Order: sequence, then C-alpha cells, then structure tokens
Amino acid sequence: DIVMTQSPLSLPVTPGEPASISCRSSQSLLQSNGDNYLDWYLQKPGQSPQVLIYFGSNRASGVPDRFSGSGSGTDFTLKISRVEAEDVGVYYCMQVLQTPITFGQGTRLEIK
Amino acid sequence: QVRLQESGPGLVKPSETLSLTCTVSGGSISNYYWSWIRQPPGKGLEWIGYLYYTGRTNYNPSLKSRVTMSIATSRDQFSLELSSVTAADTAVYYCARVLSTVTSQILYFDSWGQGSLVTVSS
Repeated sequence: DIVMTQSPLSLPVTPGEPASISCRSSQSLLQSNGDNYLDWYLQKPGQSPQVLIYFGSNRASGVPDRFSGSGSGTDFTLKISRVEAEDVGVYYCMQVLQTPITFGQGTRLEIK
Repeated sequence: QVRLQESGPGLVKPSETLSLTCTVSGGSISNYYWSWIRQPPGKGLEWIGYLYYTGRTNYNPSLKSRVTMSIATSRDQFSLELSSVTAADTAVYYCARVLSTVTSQILYFDSWGQGSLVTVSS
C-alpha cells in the first residue's frame, strides 16, 4: 500500500495569513503522462469531506483561488494564500494512483 | 446537482453483518464509479472499495474478505455489506461518487453523502 504522510498534524493560523500543508507519499504518484494522482480534501466540522485539488494542482469546481496545490512525485503541498475563518477543518491528501486508495492522517487547521 | 444519502441501521451487534444503502438523486447512477469510505469517531478516512455501475468491484484488501458491494441501477441505489463486524468497525460510513477518466483512472470523489454512523455493540 502507498503510505501518505502529512505535516504538520495541527496548524494554528491567524486570519489573513498564509498556510501550508505538506504531504509525502511512499512511492511516486507521477504517471508517464505527466499527471500526479494526488487529491486534497477539506472536512469542515460536522461535514463530509469536499474535494479541493486533483492531479496535485488542479482546483476543483467552485474552490476559491486562495487554495493552490503543487508538487510532483512524492512531495506535495497545499497552500492557502490568506486563511479565512471558513477554512477551519481537517485537510487530507489522498492518492489515487493505485488501489487501495489511501489517505494521509489529516491536518487540523484552526484559527488563532 | 447529484445528491447521495446513506441509510441503514445505526446499531449492529458484534459478529453480525452491517448493511447500508446509498440512494442517488439528481443525476444518473450509470457511467460512474461509486465508493464507500469510512471514518472511525475522531479518526481519519479509510477507503473501503468502489464499484462500477456494471457491477465490477474493487475492494480494499484489508477488508476484502468481509465486504460485498452491489448496485441496483433501476432503483438508483448501491449497497455495502460488511460481515462479522467488531467494535473496530464502528464508524461513520460515507458513500461517494467517483470521477474517473475515459480510461477508468480514478480521479477524485466529487460528491459525498452526509454519512451514516454505525455503532457495533451488543
């Protein structure tokens, strides 16, 4: 199985400040076609997860442009340019290169 | 916009079978993959498996011996059965729609149900 490791696990952020979450995979998620099979999700308190990013860097429909994804191979980053109160929740990375599909442990973002 | 709704018993006895159904509305169940994911209380997400509208399945090896997924396209529903449950199977169970490429490469889960808490206890 591909192991996904996120850091940090807890992230206190002041509103308006940037935030960054790292995700590392135990094997490369880069396919020969140039796509990285890495997604990012946000699970807001009391809600189901919602997709933010797919292919490592593509924003899903309706996702604000303050969210961006980068990276390739085994190292990926989710960045929020200016954190807002509604961004509170747990962020997960997930690999879809192969089954079993696996998730990172989650990073809890909280407002200072 | 597609909506998904899980339904089933909220309490299951140890050693019995957990059964959940996901009803899809606002969109077609055909031509998509559909998945089940679970989340133990206070913990992270675990992928259980997915199935195509044709009935083809792919299960997480860690659960494969106990999982059965099925689909009823005429009723716009798909189902999960997990046998021989223990307390470790206590979790919120989510159903989700899977977006994939034309070559069936899984991309992401684009729509999720609200989740159904299933507690395993005598």
